[in-house]
Amino acid sequence: GDSVTQMEGPVTLSEEAFLTINCTYTATGYPSLFWYVQYPGEGLQLLLKATKADDKGSNKGFEATYRKETTSFHLEKGSVQVSDSAVYFCVRGGGGSNYKLTFGKGTLLTVNP
Amino acid sequence: DAGVTQSPTHLIKTRGQQVTLRCSPKSGHDTVSWYQQALGQGPQFIFQYYEEEERQRGNFPDRFSGHQFPNYSSELNVNALLLGDSALYLCASSLSRRYNTGELFFGEGSRLTVL
Repeated sequence: GDSVTQMEGPVTLSEEAFLTINCTYTATGYPSLFWYVQYPGEGLQLLLKATKADDKGSNKGFEATYRKETTSFHLEKGSVQVSDSAVYFCVRGGGGSNYKLTFGKGTLLTVNP
Repeated sequence: DAGVTQSPTHLIKTRGQQVTLRCSPKSGHDTVSWYQQALGQGPQFIFQYYEEEERQRGNFPDRFSGHQFPNYSSELNVNALLLGDSALYLCASSLSRRYNTGELFFGEGSRLTVL
């Protein structure tokens, strides 16, 4: 079935460090891919998305590229801030008439000043 | 504009009891999805409602049921509670025509503890 595997956390970085959170997905069909973020005390929210191969999603300095050949969608940011501390989820869309989103387990990121 | 609101925020039940969780979608949204998030795990899809019908169901037993009302709000019911049903239950709303863009809006969830 559909699945998403993402880097286990927690990840602790210093401010201005480079961030990578790895994510791979099952390749059945042509799913859309997303990164969702959950800040402390808030609901999940969409961070960025990519709907087809080679698309690059970006938002708030974060980027992720849909790599069909490696079935990956790694999240990157060049310089993290304390305010980026949150749980990040890699998510696979179902596609077509499959409305189910499949989430990875989440990666807790803590950024220290 | 209020986002997705869920109630109650926390509740404690005992095994065998029944629970009803409620969700009001973001204004203008017609589709409601429910997810279960166990501690340390990602959310798992329970089902989705659109036009007052269950449109798709995940791998959850029949003890989990739902309803969508004409104003698009929704309820999740769980019967014969088990200890393993303890989790955060998330409601997500969206516009049906934009669902595959991933533009879901999540509530903060209802945390259910089963003793």
